Amino acid sequence: NAGVTQTPKFRVLKTGQSMTLLCAQDMNHEYMYWYRQDPGMGLRLIHYSVGEGTTAKGEVPDGYNVSRLKKQNFLLGLESAAPSQTSVYFCASSYGGDSASDTQYFGPGTRLTVL
Amino acid sequence: AQSVTQPDIHITVSEGASLELRCNYSYGATPYLFWYVQSPGQGLQLLLKYFSGDTLVQGIKGFEAEFKRSQSSFNLRKPSVHWSDAAEYFCAVGTGGSYIPTFGRGTSLIVHP
Repeated sequence: NAGVTQTPKFRVLKTGQSMTLLCAQDMNHEYMYWYRQDPGMGLRLIHYSVGEGTTAKGEVPDGYNVSRLKKQNFLLGLESAAPSQTSVYFCASSYGGDSASDTQYFGPGTRLTVL
Repeated sequence: AQSVTQPDIHITVSEGASLELRCNYSYGATPYLFWYVQSPGQGLQLLLKYFSGDTLVQGIKGFEAEFKRSQSSFNLRKPSVHWSDAAEYFCAVGTGGSYIPTFGRGTSLIVHP
């Protein structure tokens, strides 16, 4: 049981390049989330998904796209990377349902630098 | 909409001293409250959560937190800090009808030997 895994762990891009971050979970969770973490800003929600085939915008969605084609995977794409997207990206998943007391399980993070 | 405030950006304590990290929330009804810890270079791990019942909640690693409705607070405490507790601590609030928790900006704990 690996929990939540993220690929890659580190990446350096040039401005304008594209890339996809992969998140995978093996806990059969319905909900998945992408956050970015910047110094002094805490965690900010980029996009989230409440089930296979569904996605929704979070607090800071601009410049990112996501897809949830399989229940266990949640992909975050950057079509044209900008220096402002330099950050640490965290994926999380949770069981889902009606309970707002649900616990989120986090991946180890991806450190992205855009030059 | 709910919000979370962690007033202290950094807290420095000596090893063996007691610890209290502050968290205040804004929400009209009973919230669901969480504390997460992030060790350097790691993801977030749940320390404890409150959603009903006893307002004093016990968590992992010897941490506890107390929900005080009158003060809209959910402060995290530990009686004796260990050097390995040095980390970033995040408070989060969830509310009925929304499965998206709101996180505070975090408090960085520094432990002196």
